[in-house]
Amino acid sequence: GENVEQHPSTLSVQEGDSAVIKCTYSDSASNYFPWYKQELGKRPQLIIDIRSNVGEKKDQRIAVTLNKTAKHFSLHITETQPEDSAVYFCAARVTGGGNKLTFGTGTQLKVEL
Amino acid sequence: DGGITQSPKYLFRKEGQNVTLSCEQNLNHDAMYWYRQDPGQGLRLIYYSQIVNDFQKGDIAEGYSVSREKKESFPLTVTSAQKNPTAFYLCASTPQGNSNQPQHFGDGTRLSIL
Repeated sequence: GENVEQHPSTLSVQEGDSAVIKCTYSDSASNYFPWYKQELGKRPQLIIDIRSNVGEKKDQRIAVTLNKTAKHFSLHITETQPEDSAVYFCAARVTGGGNKLTFGTGTQLKVEL
Repeated sequence: DGGITQSPKYLFRKEGQNVTLSCEQNLNHDAMYWYRQDPGQGLRLIYYSQIVNDFQKGDIAEGYSVSREKKESFPLTVTSAQKNPTAFYLCASTPQGNSNQPQHFGDGTRLSIL
């Protein structure tokens, strides 16, 4: 089955700096890659997603890049703010897999003032 | 996300007891999912259902059971066979089972052992 690895497990940045979280996946049949933000004790919320037919997608301060050849995708947050502090999860979905998602282990992002 | 309701928010289980976690959605979604989340780990899939009266095991189904008698409801039973049930349980849904559409999550149920 699909395996998703996520790095780093913790990331601390200064307010206004950029943050980058990287994920790799194992199954070349994966075709959908969402990113979720989860605040302490709350539900994961989708912040951005990308499908395998595009290489990059941007939404204001958030962007995701996908390299299908290398089987990795990354989340980029620019001009970080304290409210960006949370745990971020990447995930991958394999074609025909019932829309099952395989999640990475999460990155705790802390934005310091 | 509005439309997915999990209850209760907190649940305590005694040893040898089965407990049932509720998940209801009014989004008219076909597919529903149950995940378990442990500290420092990602979400792991327990069971999923793509359509009413059908469900499949996920990666960690042992010690759990589900039913899907109604489109809007997908209850999860944590049985006494699950020896380490303490975790945060999340229910999710998506419009269709085989499409690249986002999963939307409920607020979760935190299960602890008495």
